[in-house]
Amino acid sequence: LAKTTQPISMDSYEGQEVNITCSHNNIATNDYITWYQQFPSQGPRFIIQGYKTKVTNEVASLFIPADRKSSTLSLPRVSLSDTAVYYCLVGESQGGKLIFGQGTELSVKP
Amino acid sequence: AAGVIQSPRHLIKEKRETATLKCYPIPRHDTVYWYQQGPGQDPQFLISFYEKMQSDKGSIPDRFSAQQFSDYHSELNMSSLELGDSALYFCASSGMDRGRTNYGYTFGSGTRLTVV
Repeated sequence: LAKTTQPISMDSYEGQEVNITCSHNNIATNDYITWYQQFPSQGPRFIIQGYKTKVTNEVASLFIPADRKSSTLSLPRVSLSDTAVYYCLVGESQGGKLIFGQGTELSVKP
Repeated sequence: AAGVIQSPRHLIKEKRETATLKCYPIPRHDTVYWYQQGPGQDPQFLISFYEKMQSDKGSIPDRFSAQQFSDYHSELNMSSLELGDSALYFCASSGMDRGRTNYGYTFGSGTRLTVV
């Protein structure tokens, strides 16, 4: 499974757009990129998944360049409740074990 | 919508005791995964089951065992508990629904095990 690298922490203010970039230089052809959000003492929650270009859903956007060696999770207009740890994972889309690397601890301030 | 149900939510055990954690997957999900998350750490994959057969194994201690039953629920059995086993234990489930993003991979709220 491809190794991922993310910033350890990020700070933001309410109403701002937050972009978290993940590096995955060894991503395989069949791999998808998936982002999870985790609040303290809760299970990780699926945010978004993509293979290439751009994916958007009701909570986030995922930007993937042509070489797929990195990806950027974009959270529009964050609120205090978006304070959480965000994990970038790379692997086949049909599930299987998830290998969590060090996530990004996002802190949103008023 | 139905979610992944884990029980108990909290469990306190003494060293060398045994513990059993239960996981009830989302209806029609056929795969169950177990993860362990120690304090301040990232979730670590332990073991998974597909159609009641072990499908993958991670860093699960020999003192731990798990199985998936005919109704697809799963149990994680932990024996000779050690202080270092204190952690959050998450179960997740997924199904081979190709119409759903990420095959509906969903985590439960976890069981917090404290070994004293």
